[in-house]
Amino acid sequence: GQSLEQPSEVTAVEGAIVQINCTYQTSGFYGLSWYQQHDGGAPTFLSYNGLDGLEETGRFSSFLSRSDSYGYLLLQELQMKDSASYFCAVRDDRTGFQKLVFGTGTRLLVSP
Amino acid sequence: NAGVTQTPKFQVLKTGQSMTLQCAQDMNHEYMSWYRQDPGMGLRLIHYSVGAGITDQGEVPNGYNVSRSTTEDFPLRLLSAAPSQTSVYFCASSYSIRENTEAFFGQGTRLTVV
Repeated sequence: GQSLEQPSEVTAVEGAIVQINCTYQTSGFYGLSWYQQHDGGAPTFLSYNGLDGLEETGRFSSFLSRSDSYGYLLLQELQMKDSASYFCAVRDDRTGFQKLVFGTGTRLLVSP
Repeated sequence: NAGVTQTPKFQVLKTGQSMTLQCAQDMNHEYMSWYRQDPGMGLRLIHYSVGAGITDQGEVPNGYNVSRSTTEDFPLRLLSAAPSQTSVYFCASSYSIRENTEAFFGQGTRLTVV
């Protein structure tokens, strides 16, 4: 099977940097994705790591270490609009079909 | 730019009723999936499809059926609604689970079973 662990909640102030960690256990690993979801909205894609290392997209960066089964999402220069839930997801292959499975999510609260 | 369209947006059912949640995408995506989201539980995969005529179960398939007769449509059927199926349901699609890493989500269906 597969499981992903994330902290349930993180708080930070505007302008700060925050890191959201994700550890995973899966059989057949094909990459780690991150999604953002505002309250009442749909998840939207943020980033993907297929190989070890850091991927940067503007204020957001994502890191993967396959040997440690670990990744993180780094949010810099936090803004109020970054208050949302963040989900890590893995593509897992148990039955020959790849499936996208999500963690339970981290709620980020950004305060002034 | 329709993307992924889910209908209805809201639904109230009585226990034992059946219904179909509709999902359609206009991006010619191979891969489509259904998730349910409950407080503190994240997104849990119900069923998914890797192409027309091919479906498979996810983490929580019991009480739900799917079919994929066309590339565009992936309806989710609740056979006999139960209060435990009260949730927000999301449909998602991606071009190819193997080659495209971005999943596009519909706006969700908020289902209450009383």
